Amino acid sequence: EAGVTQFPSHSVIEKGQTVTLRCDPISGHDNLYWYRRVMGKEIKFLLHFVKESKQDESGMPNNRFLAERTGGTYSTLKVQPAELEDSGVYFCASSRFGTARRETQYFGPGTRLLVL
Amino acid sequence: AQTVTQSQPEMSVQEAETVTLSCTYDTSESDYYLFWYKQPPSRQMILVIRQEAYKQQNATENRFSVNFQKAAKSFSLKISDSQLGDAAMYFCAYRSAQGAQKLVFGQGTRLTINP
Repeated sequence: EAGVTQFPSHSVIEKGQTVTLRCDPISGHDNLYWYRRVMGKEIKFLLHFVKESKQDESGMPNNRFLAERTGGTYSTLKVQPAELEDSGVYFCASSRFGTARRETQYFGPGTRLLVL
Repeated sequence: AQTVTQSQPEMSVQEAETVTLSCTYDTSESDYYLFWYKQPPSRQMILVIRQEAYKQQNATENRFSVNFQKAAKSFSLKISDSQLGDAAMYFCAYRSAQGAQKLVFGQGTRLTINP
């Protein structure tokens, strides 16, 4: 079974530009999460999809961030326009839909974003 | 809101020795889950061990075990017989048993294994 994949692995952009990150969850996983780790700090939750619906987007920092999950499969996270403080590692995770007691979130390798 | 604190940014241990990574958390909930995730250099984060708060017995997974102290809100990870492959960033995480399924992470502890 293929794991969670993310593309690109690295991205370097200038302030004001747009960047789109992509996450492909494990096949059959209804839950998809986005997290972010700013350098040296804790990993923070951004949002949670159940299939194509946003279940919880309480962690999205501002309206420069737009997440979509087309057809309940892969997801994209667009940052437009990017600011210096958006630099960090963006993680995607997925899990099967089920009771919370049995849920395990499987993480992708992350996308390292650097905004100059 | 729940918070997770890892007070040790870096730890090191000699190969074959035992090391304990600390984690404390704050919550008003009585039912929740705690996790330790491991992220090796340039590799994906993987789940090491989980603990369900309603279970008094400490979870174990081969060389990995936890010391779960619910009253003290402490959840430390013990790695026995440390191996070079254990070198990684270790994250402690909390998840509520009700409502939101998001993970709340600590800052991480970088573990180095000395040969």
